[in-house]
Amino acid sequence: DTEVTQTPKHLVMGMTNKKSLKCEQHMGHRAMYWYKQKAKKPPELMFVYSYEKLSINESVPSRFSPECPNSSLLNLHLHALQPEDSALYLCASSHPTGGQETQYFGPGTRLLVL
Amino acid sequence: GQNIDQPTEMTATEGAIVQINCTYQTSGFNGLFWYQQHAGEAPTFLSYNVLDGLEEKGRFSSFLSRSKGYSYLLLKELQMKDSASYLCAAISGSARQLTFGSGTQLTVLP
Repeated sequence: DTEVTQTPKHLVMGMTNKKSLKCEQHMGHRAMYWYKQKAKKPPELMFVYSYEKLSINESVPSRFSPECPNSSLLNLHLHALQPEDSALYLCASSHPTGGQETQYFGPGTRLLVL
Repeated sequence: GQNIDQPTEMTATEGAIVQINCTYQTSGFNGLFWYQQHAGEAPTFLSYNVLDGLEEKGRFSSFLSRSKGYSYLLLKELQMKDSASYLCAAISGSARQLTFGSGTQLTVLP
């Protein structure tokens, strides 16, 4: 089983809304990632959690707030977003040790900010 | 810094063979991934090369030369469903950070 699930699949929100994206995996992976992908561009890394601790924050604005409640779950809390934040948000997970680093991606949440 | 280059677009004919090249310059390089991404969908894992040489998996093969900073993805017996973006990505650093190339949009023609 190499499944990473994400909810919701689609999200439309106004600039004053607060919403959360959710990601879940049951592969026993201890590294989880959030990526942002704009149309016709590659995924851009936002955050990395390793063993439930934030290890990388790629200078992401504070209106994006990640949370890792346990080893299977990863959330991305959204507040006061801008229209340019509209994108596909991808979650991925991997086992962070040598030789098993393949990152498996979830289906993504397509976000539209109005 | 990290720099990964791959062609923007390629076109090939159904049943043919196509090779997508990728060159990289990354500090703390650990390995090279290839992902396939259809429009509107998430990337799906194709291959992972750590050591030099060719890894074959069905119609797809991937090659790595660490000394040259070079990889390629070889697709054989092309099918229409192979039309997609192919992403080269290098994993590096102790945090196993994945850096993607810009992707190669492959179009398979009948």
